[in-house]
Amino acid sequence: DIVMTQSPLSLPVTPGEPASISCRSSQSLLHSNGYEYLDWYVHKPGQSPQLLIYLGSKRASGVPDRFSGSGSGSTFTLRISRVEAEDVGVYYCMHALQTPPYTFGQGTKLEIK
Amino acid sequence: QVQLVESGGGVVQPGGSLRLSCAASGFTFSAYGMRWVRQAPGKGLEWVASIRFDGSNLYYADSVKGRFTVSRDNSRNTLYVQINSLRPEDSGKYYCVREGETTMLRVVRRYHYFYMDVWGKGTTVIVSS
Repeated sequence: DIVMTQSPLSLPVTPGEPASISCRSSQSLLHSNGYEYLDWYVHKPGQSPQLLIYLGSKRASGVPDRFSGSGSGSTFTLRISRVEAEDVGVYYCMHALQTPPYTFGQGTKLEIK
Repeated sequence: QVQLVESGGGVVQPGGSLRLSCAASGFTFSAYGMRWVRQAPGKGLEWVASIRFDGSNLYYADSVKGRFTVSRDNSRNTLYVQINSLRPEDSGKYYCVREGETTMLRVVRRYHYFYMDVWGKGTTVIVSS
């Protein structure tokens, strides 16, 4: 099974400042078609998880453009250009290769300083 | 609007059984794959099971294989998971999730990419004696 490893696990951020979360996979998520098979999800307090990024870098519908995903192979990054109070939550990466099991990273808890 | 509503959670003794249901509305349920994802108290997200749009290709996490059975009734727009031989570590919130899909065209071949784009609010299972 693919192991997903995130860092840091805790991320205190001052509003208006940028934030960055790293995700590494135990095997390459680069498909033979040239696309990166990685998703980012956020689980905000009191809400259900929601999709942020798919195909490594494509924002899901309604996701603000301050969120961006990048990376290739087995190293990926989620960046928030300017953190807002509403961004508090736990962020997860997950590989999206078509054959399960789908595995999540441990989660990164973003909190406001 | 697009909605998934889970039900069937509750308190059950170890070794017991439950059937969770997920009622879908606002979209063509029969056209989408579906998944169950759970979150144990204080833990992260864990994919549990998947089922393709037509009920074929069932997949399970190793932690639930042989004890969980996912199914769907497209005539009732409902997803199910039958959970047997419940263990304390099965406690948590269970989310019903829709598999969104995008298609990429490379040269002359079409590729599909699935992501989890609609989540229910979840139903809670507590396994305790």
